[in-house]
Amino acid sequence: DAGVIQSPRHEVTEMGQEVTLRCKPISGHDYLFWYRQTMMRGLELLIYFNNNVPIDDSGMPEDRFSAKMPNASFSTLKIQPSEPRDSAVYFCASSLLGAAAGNTIYFGEGSWLTVV
Amino acid sequence: AQSVTQLDSQVPVFEEAPVELRCNYSSSVSVYLFWYVQYPNQGLQLLLKYLSGSTLVKGINGFEAEFNKSQTSFHLRKPSVHISDTAEYFCAVSEDPGGTSYGKLTFGQGTILTVHP
Repeated sequence: DAGVIQSPRHEVTEMGQEVTLRCKPISGHDYLFWYRQTMMRGLELLIYFNNNVPIDDSGMPEDRFSAKMPNASFSTLKIQPSEPRDSAVYFCASSLLGAAAGNTIYFGEGSWLTVV
Repeated sequence: AQSVTQLDSQVPVFEEAPVELRCNYSSSVSVYLFWYVQYPNQGLQLLLKYLSGSTLVKGINGFEAEFNKSQTSFHLRKPSVHISDTAEYFCAVSEDPGGTSYGKLTFGQGTILTVHP
């Protein structure tokens, strides 16, 4: 299996620009998660989907962030407009049945975002 | 709501020495516990997980962890570390059905293990 695929792996953008991060989950997985990792705040869950429906977006920092999952094999995380404090590593992860009952969550390699 | 506390942000050790990375959790319902490892510039990989049964769980690369319900802990151990074990280690928890955080995985702040020659 190809695993969770994220793109781009690295992105440098100017403040105010729109950023779109993409994710392809493992085929057959019905849960998809977006995490953000920073030195200050560690790993934060931003949002997660079950069967393409957002279940909990309480971790999304503000209205500049939005996430969509138009189908079972694709999700996007968009930041518009971007700010320097958005610089972080953004991880997409997927699993079968979520973390419920101890199911393993599989992570992508991450998208390293730098906003200058 | 569930939470995880990793008691050490950094742990330096010498090669072939034993190591213990500490993790405590908080939850009002039964939990499942995980340890993930993140090598530099990579994503997270599962090391091991506790679901039920034996409180001693063995994982990959010679790591093991012990679940202690009375102390709400899930410490990770390795009897003899290698240079290649240098990485950041994350403890994580998910809740049983009935918990307010059901379906989610909540991570601790991470412990950076540095193995010196």
